[in-house]
Amino acid sequence: DIVMTQTPLSSPVTLGQPASISCRSSQSLVHSDGNTYLSWLQQRPGQPPRILIYKISNRFSGVPDRFSGSGAGTDFTLKISRVEAEDVGVYYCMQGTQLPLTFGGGTKVEIK
Amino acid sequence: EVQLLESGGGLVQPGGSLRLSCAASGFTFSRYAMSWVRQAPGKGLEWVSTVTSSGDGTYYADSVKGRFTISRDNSENTLYLQMNSLRAEDTALYYCAKYVRFFDLWGRGTLVTVSS
Repeated sequence: DIVMTQTPLSSPVTLGQPASISCRSSQSLVHSDGNTYLSWLQQRPGQPPRILIYKISNRFSGVPDRFSGSGAGTDFTLKISRVEAEDVGVYYCMQGTQLPLTFGGGTKVEIK
Repeated sequence: EVQLLESGGGLVQPGGSLRLSCAASGFTFSRYAMSWVRQAPGKGLEWVSTVTSSGDGTYYADSVKGRFTISRDNSENTLYLQMNSLRAEDTALYYCAKYVRFFDLWGRGTLVTVSS
């Protein structure tokens, strides 16, 4: 199984300041079709998860451009350029390259 | 409106069974693979199972293999999860999600509690 490791566990951020979350996979997420199926999800308190970023760096429809994804192979990063109050929640990375599908343990973003 | 609506959760004794349903609307259900993902109270996300668009391919996490069965009825735009031999560790909020190598649409979940 591919293990997804996120850091940090928690990220207290000042409003308007940037935040960065790291996700590392135990093996390469490059699929045989050439795509890298690494996505990022946001889960606000009391809400279901929602997709933010897919295939490393593609923002899903309706996602603000302050969210960006980068990385390759086994190392990936989600960045929030300027944190807003509505960004509070838990963020998960997820790999769709190989079964079983696996998630990172989550990073809690909170306001300082 | 594009949405997924789960139902069927509840309180069940260890060893019991439950059948979850997920009604899809607003998109062509039969074109997409569908999955169940669960979240134990206060914990992270865990993939449970995926079924292909036609229903002829099914995949399971090791933790539920042999106990859970995923299926779908494309004529009714509905996804199912039959859960047998339930254990305390199956207690979770179960989400239905549309799968396109990532989960681009989620329901609000249905809570399953396994307890005596």
